[in-house]
Amino acid sequence: DAGVIQSPRHEVTEMGQEVTLRCKPISGHNSLFWYRQTMMRGLELLIYFNNNVPIDDSGMPEDRFSAKMPNASFSTLKIQPSEPRDSAVYFCASSFGQAVPEAFFGQGTRLTVV
Amino acid sequence: TQLLEQSPQFLSIQEGENLTVYCNSSSVFSSLQWYRQEPGEGPVLLVTVVTGGEVKKLKRLTFQFGDARKDSSLHITAAQPGDTGLYLCAGDTVYSTLTFGKGTMLLVSP
Repeated sequence: DAGVIQSPRHEVTEMGQEVTLRCKPISGHNSLFWYRQTMMRGLELLIYFNNNVPIDDSGMPEDRFSAKMPNASFSTLKIQPSEPRDSAVYFCASSFGQAVPEAFFGQGTRLTVV
Repeated sequence: TQLLEQSPQFLSIQEGENLTVYCNSSSVFSSLQWYRQEPGEGPVLLVTVVTGGEVKKLKRLTFQFGDARKDSSLHITAAQPGDTGLYLCAGDTVYSTLTFGKGTMLLVSP
């Protein structure tokens, strides 16, 4: 079975450009999470969707960040405009609704903003 | 904000040695999970512990949840190079999401 699929795997962009990261969760999973990982801060939750609805976006750093989930099989995380401090590995994870969320992670997108 | 502190941050050992890594918090969690992350990959779930005092074994890995459900430990017996990776603990939050510690980076040399 295919796991969580993220694209692109690597993205290098110039400061000020728009960046869009994509995620396809595991079929049948109804929760989707976007995380950001850096050496300094570790894994931080950015936003959580349940049944395609954003439930908790308190981790989204600024208005430059936005996330959408138009249907159960696709989500995007957009940064506009991008800044060098946004450089990190961005992970998408999905889980099936249950009391203890067991998250399945994608391979991540390594974003470098120069 | 619930905070999970992991120690040590880095651990470099020889194949065959035993080790223990720790995950501590001042908050109570209803469940706690351990993940392993290899370079260039996403974290992969190893185990979930739910009951205070619970001990779970996964081959050479032993996981323990503290009685007060504020802390956990992971013990590896006879470590192998394949155990190399970043070990992350994560606790559940009010929204049924996970908050992660910063992890312990383990390097096992042949």
